[in-house]
Amino acid sequence: DTAVSQTPKYLVTQMGNDKSIKCEQNLGHDTMYWYKQDSKKFLKIMFSYNNKELIINETVPNRFSPKSPDKAHLNLHINSLELGDSAVYFCASSQVGGIYTGELFFGEGSRLTVL
Amino acid sequence: ELKVEQNPLFLSMQEGKNYTIYCNYSTTSDRLYWYRQDPGKSLESLFVLLSNGAVKQEGRLMASLDTKARLSTLHITAAVHDLSATYFCAVVWGAQKLVFGQGTRLTINP
Repeated sequence: DTAVSQTPKYLVTQMGNDKSIKCEQNLGHDTMYWYKQDSKKFLKIMFSYNNKELIINETVPNRFSPKSPDKAHLNLHINSLELGDSAVYFCASSQVGGIYTGELFFGEGSRLTVL
Repeated sequence: ELKVEQNPLFLSMQEGKNYTIYCNYSTTSDRLYWYRQDPGKSLESLFVLLSNGAVKQEGRLMASLDTKARLSTLHITAAVHDLSATYFCAVVWGAQKLVFGQGTRLTINP
């Protein structure tokens, strides 16, 4: 069973379109994240949710809207896609406290290409 | 704002040699992680370092943490081709925010 799963894995779309990426984790973690990895492999946090509550919202255009229907799911919707949105988007989850060390467990990534 | 810097960013080495990747960070943190990423793949957790002086080893990789110097090292011993990958360090800052270094792309040549 995949611990953190994302769909779709690849997404090719035109500028101006709206798209969504879904993420699910079966680790029982209470915190989920979206990270963006650009073409230079630089990883930057976008959002973080703890038990469905938004706790980190970095300087991200408001065209990006995360939604967490429950603590096992965190989806990312992107409106009016731009060329600069092309990247690999990674979902991750973690648990802190007790025996947990807070390390992130990553999904396989969703490669978004905007034409 | 926490800054995390890795050095070097690119490293090409021969099999059998030893080398060290450095990770410096700018503000106090109590946790540091090392991750590995193969081309086109996800990130795999290698080490979690939780205290000053922590040292963890797995096979040919050894990671250490000096919180006073705000420095972590990832040492590779007798490198083999399978260790070719990009290695990231990441430091916790604030409320569960993990800030990543730029990554070190390691290529090990036969």
